[in-house]
Amino acid sequence: GQQLNQSPQSMFIQEGEDVSMNCTSSSIFNTWLWYKQDPGEGPVLLIALYKAGELTSNGRLTAQFGITRKDSFLNISASIPSDVGIYFCAGQLIGTYKYIFGTGTRLKVLA
Amino acid sequence: ETGVTQSPTHLIKTRGQQVTLRCSSQSGHNTVSWYQQALGQGPQFIFQYYREEENGRGNFPPRFSGLQFPNYSSELNVNALELDDSALYLCASSQQGADEKLFFGSGTQLSVL
Repeated sequence: GQQLNQSPQSMFIQEGEDVSMNCTSSSIFNTWLWYKQDPGEGPVLLIALYKAGELTSNGRLTAQFGITRKDSFLNISASIPSDVGIYFCAGQLIGTYKYIFGTGTRLKVLA
Repeated sequence: ETGVTQSPTHLIKTRGQQVTLRCSSQSGHNTVSWYQQALGQGPQFIFQYYREEENGRGNFPPRFSGLQFPNYSSELNVNALELDDSALYLCASSQQGADEKLFFGSGTQLSVL
C-alpha cells in the first residue's frame, strides 16, 4: 500500500532532549496531520497544518508544512517519559479526501 | 461531545468467514473513513463514506465493503476472510471541508486463524 517516507524509523533519547522527525513524498498535499499512537489504541491528533510554510505549535510540539507542499516536520522539545509512542504523519492528497500515512517514528525516552 | 466509538474491540475469525465492524462517528461529523493497520505499519486507507455514499477507495479488493447510515455511523464488512486480513481496523470521523481533520476510534483488533 501507499505510505509516506517518515524518518527516523525509531529514536532512543534522554529525557529533556529535543526530537525532530519528518515526512517526505513525491506527491503534493493540501493538508498535513500529525498523530501519536499508543499500543492497542487509535491515533490521537496532535497538530493540523493547512498552508504551505505554516508553522504551528501545541505545547512542546511544533510542526511545519513544507514550502514545496511535499513534506512536513514535527519537533518535540524537552521530551518527557509520556512522549513514548509511535508518531505518524498523514498527508491529504490534493484533489482528494484521502489521507496517506507515514511509516511511523517509534520514540523511546530514557529517564 | 461524544468521540468515535468502535465495536467490537477484539474479534477472532477463521479463514473464509465474514465479519462486520461498526463505528459511531463523533457528534457533528458527517464523514467516516476506514483504515487497516497491520502490525508495525502505518494505517492504510480502505475507503471513505460521505452522505451514505462511498467517496473514495484505497487499494483493497471488493470483498471489503461498507455502509454509512443516516446518523453517519458506519459498518465495514469483509467477506471471505484471509489470514492477511489480521490487523487493527480503525475508523475515523471528520467534517468534510477545507480544514478536515480525522479523529480516530480505538480500533477493532481482528485476528484471522
